[in-house]
Amino acid sequence: NAGVMQNPRHLVRRRGQEARLRCSPMKGHSHVYWYRQLPEEGLKFMVYLQKENIIDESGMPKERFSAEFPKEGPSILRIQQVVRGDSAAYFCASSPAGLGETQYFGPGTRLLVL
Amino acid sequence: GQNIDQPTEMTATEGAIVQINCTYQTSGFNGLFWYQQHAGEAPTFLSYNVLDGLEEKGRFSSFLSRSKGYSYLLLKELQMKDSASYLCAVRPYGGRRALTFGSGTRLQVQP
Repeated sequence: NAGVMQNPRHLVRRRGQEARLRCSPMKGHSHVYWYRQLPEEGLKFMVYLQKENIIDESGMPKERFSAEFPKEGPSILRIQQVVRGDSAAYFCASSPAGLGETQYFGPGTRLLVL
Repeated sequence: GQNIDQPTEMTATEGAIVQINCTYQTSGFNGLFWYQQHAGEAPTFLSYNVLDGLEEKGRFSSFLSRSKGYSYLLLKELQMKDSASYLCAVRPYGGRRALTFGSGTRLQVQP
């Protein structure tokens, strides 16, 4: 049973470009979460999605960031017009349905903005 | 608001026991998680406590006191591979699934 998959593992962008990060949840999981980890800091929640629905985006910056989880295909975190402060590790986690379920993390995408 | 505190760094000796503490102040509570994260890798799930008491899982145990807003992770028979960051995370009550993480405790195991 494959775990949470994320790609790319490393992404380099110049300021002003767009970054697209992909996440495929574990088989049987219908809930996806995105977290950001800045160097030497803890994980910060960004957004929680179910298929075709954004459930909680309270941690998402108001501008330039968006997320989706379409009916078919992976969840995508999109960052437009990247700035140097967006450089971080972006982790995706998934869980089955049910409030008490554990979140399992993918390997992360390390974004570097030059 | 939510606030989670854990020590920044700890050092311990191979074969010993170490306890990593976590205190939290949250607007609600629906479970506390411990994750292990090696440098440059994904957090991996270690334990989950929602009721008071001790949960034991092999060399790792986790304790929770909801009235004190306190948890600890106990690692026994330390191995060099246990050198990692240990993340304490709280899930608030009320259906919100987002986890609030502490900054993590970096554990260095020495020979």
